[in-house]
Amino acid sequence: EDQVTQSPEALRLQEGESSSLNCSYTVSGLRGLFWYRQDPGKGPEFLFTLYSAGEEKEKERLKATLTKKESFLHITAPKPEDSATYLCAVQEGASGGSNYKLTFGKGTLLTVNP
Amino acid sequence: ETGVTQTPRHLVMGMTNKKSLKCEQHLGHNAMYWYKQSAKKPLELMFVYNFKEQTENNSVPSRFSPECPNSSHLFLHLHTLQPEDSALYLCASSLTGTRNNEQFFGPGTRLTVL
Repeated sequence: EDQVTQSPEALRLQEGESSSLNCSYTVSGLRGLFWYRQDPGKGPEFLFTLYSAGEEKEKERLKATLTKKESFLHITAPKPEDSATYLCAVQEGASGGSNYKLTFGKGTLLTVNP
Repeated sequence: ETGVTQTPRHLVMGMTNKKSLKCEQHLGHNAMYWYKQSAKKPLELMFVYNFKEQTENNSVPSRFSPECPNSSHLFLHLHTLQPEDSALYLCASSLTGTRNNEQFFGPGTRLTVL
Protein backbone atom coordinates (compact mmCIF):
# COMPACT_ATOMS: atom_id res chain seq x y z
CA GLU A 1 0.00 0.00 0.00
CA ASP A 2 1.40 3.39 -1.05
CA GLN A 3 2.12 5.74 1.83
CA VAL A 4 2.34 8.80 -0.41
CA THR A 5 0.00 9.33 -3.36
CA GLN A 6 0.25 12.30 -5.67
CA SER A 7 -2.43 13.47 -8.07
CA PRO A 8 -2.83 14.14 -10.85
CA GLU A 9 0.02 12.22 -12.50
CA ALA A 10 0.25 14.92 -15.13
CA LEU A 11 -1.24 18.40 -15.43
CA ARG A 12 -1.17 20.70 -18.40
CA LEU A 13 -1.97 24.39 -17.82
CA GLN A 14 -2.03 27.54 -19.87
CA GLU A 15 0.21 30.35 -18.68
CA GLY A 16 -1.65 32.26 -15.97
CA GLU A 17 -4.07 29.41 -15.23
CA SER A 18 -3.87 28.71 -11.49
CA SER A 19 -4.27 25.18 -10.12
CA SER A 20 -3.31 22.82 -7.29
CA LEU A 21 -1.36 19.60 -6.94
CA ASN A 22 -2.33 17.08 -4.27
CA CYS A 23 -0.25 14.85 -2.02
CA SER A 24 -2.13 12.47 0.28
CA TYR A 25 -0.26 10.44 2.86
CA THR A 26 -0.83 7.66 5.37
CA VAL A 27 1.79 7.55 8.12
CA SER A 28 1.42 6.88 11.83
CA GLY A 29 3.22 10.03 12.92
CA LEU A 30 4.25 12.79 10.56
CA ARG A 31 7.59 14.36 11.29
CA GLY A 32 7.65 16.48 8.17
CA LEU A 33 6.24 16.75 4.65
CA PHE A 34 8.57 17.93 1.93
CA TRP A 35 7.98 19.36 -1.55
CA TYR A 36 10.63 19.19 -4.24
CA ARG A 37 10.83 20.33 -7.85
CA GLN A 38 12.69 18.18 -10.37
CA ASP A 39 13.68 19.26 -13.87
CA PRO A 40 14.47 16.62 -16.51
CA GLY A 41 17.90 15.03 -16.03
CA LYS A 42 18.51 16.87 -12.74
CA GLY A 43 18.27 16.10 -9.06
CA PRO A 44 15.27 17.23 -6.98
CA GLU A 45 15.41 20.83 -5.76
CA PHE A 46 14.07 21.48 -2.25
CA LEU A 47 11.06 23.81 -2.06
CA PHE A 48 9.25 23.53 1.30
CA THR A 49 8.96 21.64 4.56
CA LEU A 50 5.67 21.53 6.46
CA TYR A 51 5.52 20.14 9.98
CA SER A 52 1.98 20.44 11.30
CA ALA A 53 -1.60 20.69 10.09
CA GLY A 54 -2.60 24.22 9.26
CA GLU A 55 0.90 25.28 8.32
CA GLU A 56 1.42 27.19 5.06
CA LYS A 57 4.55 28.28 3.22
CA GLU A 58 4.97 30.44 0.13
CA LYS A 59 7.69 31.01 -2.44
CA GLU A 60 7.03 33.18 -5.46
CA ARG A 61 4.04 31.62 -7.30
CA LEU A 62 3.98 28.52 -5.09
CA LYS A 63 2.10 27.99 -1.84
CA ALA A 64 2.12 24.76 0.13
CA THR A 65 -0.51 23.82 2.71
CA LEU A 66 -0.88 20.86 5.05
CA THR A 67 -3.78 19.02 6.69
CA LYS A 68 -3.71 15.83 8.72
CA LYS A 69 -4.16 13.71 5.61
CA GLU A 70 -2.87 15.69 2.66
CA SER A 71 -0.89 18.59 1.33
CA PHE A 72 -1.60 20.89 -1.56
CA LEU A 73 0.83 22.78 -3.72
CA HIS A 74 -1.01 25.76 -5.15
CA ILE A 75 0.43 27.40 -8.24
CA THR A 76 -0.81 30.91 -8.92
CA ALA A 77 -0.54 32.40 -12.42
CA PRO A 78 2.07 29.85 -13.53
CA LYS A 79 4.70 30.60 -16.14
CA PRO A 80 6.33 28.17 -18.62
CA GLU A 81 9.44 28.07 -16.40
CA ASP A 82 7.33 26.43 -13.67
CA SER A 83 7.13 23.33 -15.87
CA ALA A 84 8.74 20.44 -13.95
CA THR A 85 7.91 17.34 -11.96
CA TYR A 86 6.82 18.17 -8.41
CA LEU A 87 7.64 15.56 -5.80
CA CYS A 88 6.14 15.13 -2.36
CA ALA A 89 7.84 13.16 0.43
CA VAL A 90 7.00 12.37 4.04
CA GLN A 91 9.19 11.65 7.02
CA GLU A 92 7.80 9.57 9.89
CA GLY A 93 8.68 9.60 13.52
CA ALA A 94 8.68 11.95 16.47
CA SER A 95 11.00 14.93 16.63
CA GLY A 96 14.43 13.98 17.94
CA GLY A 97 14.17 10.45 16.61
CA SER A 98 16.80 8.87 14.40
CA ASN A 99 14.60 8.00 11.44
CA TYR A 100 15.67 10.22 8.56
CA LYS A 101 14.05 8.21 5.82
CA LEU A 102 11.94 10.04 3.25
CA THR A 103 9.14 8.22 1.44
CA PHE A 104 8.40 9.80 -1.91
CA GLY A 105 5.35 9.87 -4.14
CA LYS A 106 5.61 9.30 -7.87
CA GLY A 107 5.31 12.99 -8.63
CA THR A 108 3.13 15.25 -10.75
CA LEU A 109 4.45 16.31 -14.15
CA LEU A 110 3.39 19.91 -14.68
CA THR A 111 3.51 21.49 -18.12
CA VAL A 112 2.72 25.18 -18.52
CA ASN A 113 2.11 26.28 -22.08
CA PRO A 114 2.78 29.88 -23.15
CA GLU B 1 32.07 23.75 -5.61
CA THR B 2 28.83 24.24 -3.76
CA GLY B 3 25.98 22.01 -2.68
CA VAL B 4 26.10 18.33 -3.57
CA THR B 5 28.19 17.16 -6.52
CA GLN B 6 28.17 13.78 -8.22
CA THR B 7 30.53 12.18 -10.72
CA PRO B 8 30.30 10.90 -13.33
CA ARG B 9 27.10 12.42 -14.66
CA HIS B 10 26.64 9.61 -17.17
CA LEU B 11 27.95 6.04 -17.08
CA VAL B 12 27.53 3.16 -19.49
CA MET B 13 28.80 -0.20 -18.32
CA GLY B 14 28.63 -3.83 -19.24
CA MET B 15 27.29 -6.45 -16.88
CA THR B 16 30.78 -7.67 -16.01
CA ASN B 17 32.34 -4.25 -15.34
CA LYS B 18 33.20 -2.71 -12.00
CA LYS B 19 32.67 1.01 -11.57
CA SER B 20 32.17 3.53 -8.78
CA LEU B 21 29.93 6.54 -8.33
CA LYS B 22 31.19 9.45 -6.26
CA CYS B 23 29.28 12.03 -4.24
CA GLU B 24 30.62 15.00 -2.31
CA GLN B 25 28.68 17.48 -0.20
CA HIS B 26 29.92 20.98 0.64
CA LEU B 27 27.09 21.88 3.04
CA GLY B 28 28.56 20.80 6.36
CA HIS B 29 25.96 18.05 6.71
CA ASN B 30 26.47 14.84 8.67
CA ALA B 31 24.13 12.44 6.88
CA MET B 32 24.35 11.18 3.30
CA TYR B 33 21.99 9.08 1.21
CA TRP B 34 21.86 7.06 -2.01
CA TYR B 35 18.59 6.90 -3.93
CA LYS B 36 17.59 5.10 -7.12
CA GLN B 37 15.13 6.76 -9.50
CA SER B 38 13.55 4.64 -12.22
CA ALA B 39 10.91 5.72 -14.72
CA LYS B 40 7.34 5.66 -13.40
CA LYS B 41 8.54 4.77 -9.88
CA PRO B 42 9.04 6.87 -6.74
CA LEU B 43 12.54 7.58 -5.54
CA GLU B 44 13.79 4.50 -3.72
CA LEU B 45 16.07 4.94 -0.72
CA MET B 46 19.06 2.60 -0.93
CA PHE B 47 21.45 3.51 1.89
CA VAL B 48 21.76 6.02 4.70
CA TYR B 49 24.96 7.06 6.46
CA ASN B 50 24.94 9.21 9.58
CA PHE B 51 28.34 10.41 10.84
CA LYS B 52 30.00 7.82 8.52
CA GLU B 53 28.01 4.95 10.03
CA GLN B 54 25.52 3.06 7.87
CA THR B 55 22.12 3.35 9.51
CA GLU B 56 19.94 1.94 6.76
CA ASN B 57 20.29 -0.63 4.00
CA ASN B 58 16.96 -0.85 2.23
CA SER B 59 17.32 -4.51 1.12
CA VAL B 60 19.69 -3.52 -1.65
CA PRO B 61 21.38 -6.35 -3.63
CA SER B 62 25.01 -6.95 -2.75
CA ARG B 63 26.13 -5.92 -6.25
CA PHE B 64 25.75 -2.38 -4.87
CA SER B 65 28.36 -1.62 -2.22
CA PRO B 66 28.40 1.77 -0.47
CA GLU B 67 31.37 3.41 1.19
CA CYS B 68 31.42 6.52 3.35
CA PRO B 69 34.98 7.47 4.41
CA ASN B 70 33.86 10.74 6.05
CA SER B 71 30.78 12.92 6.37
CA SER B 72 31.53 14.76 3.12
CA HIS B 73 32.13 11.87 0.75
CA LEU B 74 30.02 8.93 -0.34
CA PHE B 75 30.72 6.25 -2.91
CA LEU B 76 28.63 3.56 -4.54
CA HIS B 77 30.69 0.67 -5.88
CA LEU B 78 29.01 -1.28 -8.67
CA HIS B 79 29.81 -4.78 -9.90
CA THR B 80 28.04 -7.45 -11.93
CA LEU B 81 25.03 -5.24 -12.52
CA GLN B 82 21.89 -6.21 -14.41
CA PRO B 83 20.12 -4.24 -17.15
CA GLU B 84 17.26 -3.51 -14.73
CA ASP B 85 19.75 -1.55 -12.61
CA SER B 86 19.78 1.15 -15.28
CA ALA B 87 18.42 4.28 -13.60
CA LEU B 88 19.28 7.72 -12.25
CA TYR B 89 21.29 7.38 -9.04
CA LEU B 90 20.92 10.34 -6.73
CA CYS B 91 22.98 11.32 -3.74
CA ALA B 92 21.61 13.57 -1.01
CA SER B 93 22.78 15.02 2.27
CA SER B 94 21.14 16.52 5.34
CA LEU B 95 21.88 17.90 8.78
CA THR B 96 20.35 15.55 11.33
CA GLY B 97 19.59 16.30 14.95
CA THR B 98 17.75 19.50 14.06
CA ARG B 99 14.17 20.19 13.07
CA ASN B 100 15.23 21.44 9.63
CA ASN B 101 16.64 18.21 8.26
CA GLU B 102 15.74 18.71 4.64
CA GLN B 103 17.68 16.56 2.21
CA PHE B 104 19.57 18.31 -0.57
CA PHE B 105 20.23 16.37 -3.74
CA GLY B 106 23.01 16.21 -6.26
CA PRO B 107 22.41 16.20 -10.03
CA GLY B 108 22.55 12.42 -10.25
CA THR B 109 24.43 9.85 -12.31
CA ARG B 110 22.53 8.40 -15.26
CA LEU B 111 23.58 4.73 -15.35
CA THR B 112 23.00 2.46 -18.32
CA VAL B 113 23.82 -1.24 -17.99
CA LEU B 114 24.19 -3.06 -21.28
